[in-house]
Amino acid sequence: DGGITQSPKYLFRKEGQNVTLSCEQNLNHDAMYWYRQDPGQGLRLIYYSQIVNDFQKGDIAEGYSVSREKKESFPLTVTSAQKNPTAFYLCASSIDSGTGGRQYFGPGTRLTVT
Amino acid sequence: GENVEQHPSTLSVQEGDSAVIKCTYSDSASNYFPWYKQELGKGPQLIIDIRSNVGEKKDQRIAVTLNKTAKHFSLHITETQPEDSAVYFCAASKKAGKSTFGDGTTLTVKP
Repeated sequence: DGGITQSPKYLFRKEGQNVTLSCEQNLNHDAMYWYRQDPGQGLRLIYYSQIVNDFQKGDIAEGYSVSREKKESFPLTVTSAQKNPTAFYLCASSIDSGTGGRQYFGPGTRLTVT
Repeated sequence: GENVEQHPSTLSVQEGDSAVIKCTYSDSASNYFPWYKQELGKGPQLIIDIRSNVGEKKDQRIAVTLNKTAKHFSLHITETQPEDSAVYFCAASKKAGKSTFGDGTTLTVKP
C-alpha cells in the first residue's frame, strides 16, 4: 500500500477507553492525513499535518487528537469524547508541493467500540 | 469550503461495456482532480488524475475528462472486466492538505 503501514488492522475497545491508531510512512512525504470512512460514505478528514510538529483540524476533529513528532509517524488517538468511534480509519501521505497532489493511503484500521 | 458531488452511487454493467462516473465541484480554484479505486477492506489507490490545465487524460482503458467551465469531471472505463468491480472515489483539491472526496460509486461488473 504505497509505503504506508497502519496497525493494527482490527481493533476492539470498550466504550470510555482512549485508543491510539498507528500510521508510519517510509516515502519521505511531508504531509500526512487521517480520514474516517463510514459505510456508504466518502472519506472525511479528521486531521492533517504538513510538517513535523504542526497539524491542523479537518472537518471532523472533535473527539480525536494527533501528534507529529517525527516525519515518518502520525498517530491518531480516538478519545472517549468521540461519540461514534466505530469506523474504518485511513491514514494517507503526500508530497507537500504546495498544490494539490496524489495521496498514498495505508490499508486502514477497523475500530469497533462496544 | 469545497463540495464534491458524485453520481451515481451504484453502477452495474455487463463485462465489456463502458462505465462512466461523474463528479461536480464547487470551488473554481480547485486545480487537482484524482480518482481512487478502493477494494473491499483496503485503502484507496490512485488510478488516474488530472490537473486543471488539461481537459482529458487517458491511461489504457481508463480516461478522465475535465470541464472547468461547468466544474465537473468524469471517469470513463472502457471494456470493463470483473476485476474493475470496486468503489471509486473522486476528489478535488487546490492545495496540499485539503482534498474533498465524493461519496463514492460502487461499480459492479457482471461476467
